[in-house]
Amino acid sequence: SAVISQKPSRDICQRGTSLTIQCQVDSQVTMMFWYRQQPGQSLTLIATANQGSEATYESGFVIDKFPISRPNLTFSTLTVSNMSPEDSSIYLCSVEAYGGEGGTGELFFGEGSRLTVL
Amino acid sequence: EDQVTQSPEALRLQEGESSSLNCSYTVSGLRGLFWYRQDPGKGPEFLFTLYSAGEEKEKERLKATLTKKESFLHITAPKPEDSATYLCAVQARGDDKIIFGKGTRLHILP
Repeated sequence: SAVISQKPSRDICQRGTSLTIQCQVDSQVTMMFWYRQQPGQSLTLIATANQGSEATYESGFVIDKFPISRPNLTFSTLTVSNMSPEDSSIYLCSVEAYGGEGGTGELFFGEGSRLTVL
Repeated sequence: EDQVTQSPEALRLQEGESSSLNCSYTVSGLRGLFWYRQDPGKGPEFLFTLYSAGEEKEKERLKATLTKKESFLHITAPKPEDSATYLCAVQARGDDKIIFGKGTRLHILP
């Protein structure tokens, strides 16, 4: 298992500002995933962050809007840039459990960061 | 395109009233189907992985089953503490991405 800590747990932000969410894992992991969960919607993958390389973004998400850092194997940040009310959401960091044959598909999640943009 | 559809969106049951949640999926070669539980204000918590049609997994009052097109999460004699949102997700072979459904909000009344 993995324990994931996210900061901040919640924040209220003004339109046009940027906010950085931090994700700390208690063990070294290769990939870290950033998800968004909008009210009444499913979890949507924003990007996959590998240590030592550029993050891979999913369709509809761009680096200028959601820059990601991955400085080491236990830490990552997601920045939500130039925020608008449509960015109000829960942002979740997750890592995958690994078995003898690689990734298991089982994800561990942080508690999430609830952002409200006014 | 890989897709996951869950039904119903919400379900209210009396304590002890058994029922099932449905997860229909479309994926180009299933690597795994996953069930998660999410409590308000928390991240999802892993429950089960199913890999092939006919497979079943159980945990306390929950049992997950899988066919080639859908999965069911059966809840037997539920208790109020089983109230949560239950999420279904799939992963295709050769893909790291895991796709989630919108979830079923389950409320068990005492």
